Amino acid sequence: AQSVTQLDSQVPVFEEAPVELRCNYSSSVSVYLFWYVQYPNQGLQLLLKYLSGSTLVESINGFEAEFNKSQTSFHLRKPSVHISDTAEYFCAVSDGAGGTSYGKLTFGQGTILTVHP
Amino acid sequence: GAGVSQSPSNKVTEKGKDVELRCDPISGHTALYWYRQSLGQGLEFLIYFQGNSAPDKSGLPSDRFSAERTGGSVSTLTIQRTQQEDSAVYLCASSFPGLAQPQHFGDGTRLSIL
Repeated sequence: AQSVTQLDSQVPVFEEAPVELRCNYSSSVSVYLFWYVQYPNQGLQLLLKYLSGSTLVESINGFEAEFNKSQTSFHLRKPSVHISDTAEYFCAVSDGAGGTSYGKLTFGQGTILTVHP
Repeated sequence: GAGVSQSPSNKVTEKGKDVELRCDPISGHTALYWYRQSLGQGLEFLIYFQGNSAPDKSGLPSDRFSAERTGGSVSTLTIQRTQQEDSAVYLCASSFPGLAQPQHFGDGTRLSIL
């Protein structure tokens, strides 16, 4: 079965500092990778996705993630964080395991990013 | 446009009671998913609906859990004889069909079993 590992449960960082949230997944023939963000008492919002093509994907609010097939990783980065980035971040994978043709997501355990002034 | 709507936003009930959670997906999204988010287990897939096809119920934790989707739109998740371990946030998501389609989530129903 597919598994997703987010290596850090909590990441504290100061405002304007860079941050990296790590995500590794178990190997599969082909995968679709997603990062979602969850603010308190809200649902998950799609941050960015890797489907195919360029291995570097970017979001509109300055986050980027790089798909690395050899290392089975999809780490999320931001060069300069803001207070408003404080939230929980989830890495998720859809891979069609078991012959499914739909996007059943397997999630990592989440990383709580706390940005301090 | 409207996003995925879930109701109620919070539900507190006594152990042993039945509860019904509702999800109204984004118009035009034929795929609908239910997930459960709990402290101990993280985010878990429960059930998937696509159009008029038979649902994938492989994630339902016990036979106390059931779900239906009427008319290819609104879905209800029912938990019978609730137990304390059912306390969690139940999230609904919808999308266009396919492996690569991003899912759009509602704000969830926070279920607390006393």
